[in-house]
Amino acid sequence: QKEVEQDPGPLSVPEGAIVSLNCTYSNSAFQYFMWYRQYSRKGPELLMYTYSSGNKEDGRFTAQVDKSSKYISLFIRDSQPSDSATYLCAMSPAGGYNKLIFGAGTRLAVHP
Amino acid sequence: SAVISQKPSRDICQRGTSLTIQCQVDSQVTMMFWYRQQPGQSLTLIATANQGSEATYESGFVIDKFPISRPNLTFSTLTVSNMSPEDSSIYLCSVDREAQETQYFGPGTRLLVL
Repeated sequence: QKEVEQDPGPLSVPEGAIVSLNCTYSNSAFQYFMWYRQYSRKGPELLMYTYSSGNKEDGRFTAQVDKSSKYISLFIRDSQPSDSATYLCAMSPAGGYNKLIFGAGTRLAVHP
Repeated sequence: SAVISQKPSRDICQRGTSLTIQCQVDSQVTMMFWYRQQPGQSLTLIATANQGSEATYESGFVIDKFPISRPNLTFSTLTVSNMSPEDSSIYLCSVDREAQETQYFGPGTRLLVL
């Protein structure tokens, strides 16, 4: 079993939809949780990171962490065609000083 | 966030040869990381590079195949040695920042081995 599970999709939604992206994990030592966006032929771009459980909002993006269920989510409101990318969840027991464990990535396509 | 550049951005190489990838950061960082992203797969850490010490390699990766240098706090290189087609991948460097809780990634180097 992988430490981090993420549905690879692809996920196709109409413009303006609310998108929900999810990851589950098995290692209870994970404390830092991140979401990266990766456009085709580009490096991963940090979208959001959270520490421990709770919610964090930044514009149209909301990250949620439920450590009791070992489940993290990224919500995108009012999705735009420019949101079309691969979204990678990543986590670590000790933040940026430690290696990150990545999910497989979910390919998202937002069509006009 | 850090500004990270990598050279080359892409290359096509013959099997049995070696390629050195450079990673340059716009400010001093404690730790630099090298990841591999194979076609259609997620990122896997190859090694962690601290300035002034030997790189620490993850299980499945060895120094003879992936030698790393870290001569100062803004620069690192990864060499992919004696390449085979299985080494075709995207190679990414990332950095932490002081008191940061995550990592920032460079644009990647796309390598194709024929």
